[in-house]
Amino acid sequence: QQQVKQSPQSLIVQKGGISIINCAYENTAFDYFPWYQQFPGKGPALLIAIRPDVSEKKEGRFTISFNKSAKQFSLHIMDSQPGDSATYFCAASATGDKLIFGTGTRLQVFP
Amino acid sequence: DAGVIQSPRHEVTEMGQEVTLRCKPISGHDYLFWYRQTMMRGLELLIYFNNNVPIDDSGMPEDRFSAKMPNASFSTLKIQPSEPRDSAVYFCASSPSWGGAFFGQGTRLTVV
Repeated sequence: QQQVKQSPQSLIVQKGGISIINCAYENTAFDYFPWYQQFPGKGPALLIAIRPDVSEKKEGRFTISFNKSAKQFSLHIMDSQPGDSATYFCAASATGDKLIFGTGTRLQVFP
Repeated sequence: DAGVIQSPRHEVTEMGQEVTLRCKPISGHDYLFWYRQTMMRGLELLIYFNNNVPIDDSGMPEDRFSAKMPNASFSTLKIQPSEPRDSAVYFCASSPSWGGAFFGQGTRLTVV
């Protein structure tokens, strides 16, 4: 019930392509869905987040798509760049409760 | 703001020794979290505080682990005695409200 399932585990994309990472959850009480980006040797950094009252949020090349009925949300990285190579974590939380993280996706963007 | 500050960045210690990790959260944030990250288990929440009060310590692996937050600007995570399986990267994060957790750079702990 508390899990957030993330896929794929790893992703290889060519420069300029679209990277798509998916997450699914079970707990319908979750009302906050952030994505974090982590570079080697660094802490996870908040990238973009969405609440279930909207189906999509875009910030630059990064877009979250949210499907409340399917209990799924995804991160799209448009025009992927080598500098986007990192590990991406989805997460979810309910009001007043802790963040639950997915298992992470290692993205590699090749020139 | 300098962000969440953790010290030390790296710690190498012998099995059985006491280890203390330190964290200074972002000023004004009400919540403080301690996470552990390993390849096998990913990111695990160990404990979190709200206004300096521990709220949920169900993630603390065992009694060898303890955490304190004596004031709004400082927290410690202590492991006593340390064991090789405690080797991991430990992150502190703070949040002004639920959801927007900001992480420190982490402490890489190696217990030999």
